[in-house]
Amino acid sequence: QKEVEQDPGPLSVPEGAIVSLNCTYSNSAFQYFMWYRQYSRKGPELLMYTYSSGNKEDGRFTAQVDKSSKYISLFIRDSQPSDSATYLCAMSTGAQKLVFGQGTRLTINP
Amino acid sequence: EAGVTQSPTHLIKTRGQQATLRCSPISGHTSVYWYQQALGLGLQFLLWYDEGEERNRGNFPPRFSGRQFPNYSSELNVNALELEDSALYLCASSRGQGPSQETQYFGPGTRLLVL
Repeated sequence: QKEVEQDPGPLSVPEGAIVSLNCTYSNSAFQYFMWYRQYSRKGPELLMYTYSSGNKEDGRFTAQVDKSSKYISLFIRDSQPSDSATYLCAMSTGAQKLVFGQGTRLTINP
Repeated sequence: EAGVTQSPTHLIKTRGQQATLRCSPISGHTSVYWYQQALGLGLQFLLWYDEGEERNRGNFPPRFSGRQFPNYSSELNVNALELEDSALYLCASSRGQGPSQETQYFGPGTRLLVL
């Protein structure tokens, strides 16, 4: 079993829809949770960073962490074609090594 | 503020050769990380350097090695290249101390093709 599981998709939604991306994990020692966005042939770009449980909002993006269920989510409101990318969840125990999910390929259709 | 830079952008080698990849971190960042993103395998942690020392290593053979220079830039060396080493190699950097040490910023990557 992988430490971090993420549905690879692909996920295709119409412009303006609310998008929900999710990851589950097995290591209860994870404390730091991140979402990265990666456009084709580019490096990952940090979107959201959360320490421990709770919600964090930044513009159209909301990150949720539920440590009791070992489940994290990223919500994108009012999705735009420019949001089309691969979204990667990542987490860490604090030992500097990030463990990534497989990434979900998202397409927003105009 | 300039981001993480990597060179070269593309590298083509043949089996058995050696590859050298370079990374310059964001100014003020002392930690450098290397990751391999191979098709179908996702991003996998390779190495972490901080203050010139190797601090952590992922599940990769010893032919993957590197170093960090006094200016905090870093080099990844891959010896005895194998076909399955073909991947995007990503470098990331972070501040070395405090809560922000977990926030890693990535460069654009070096795409290595082994023929």
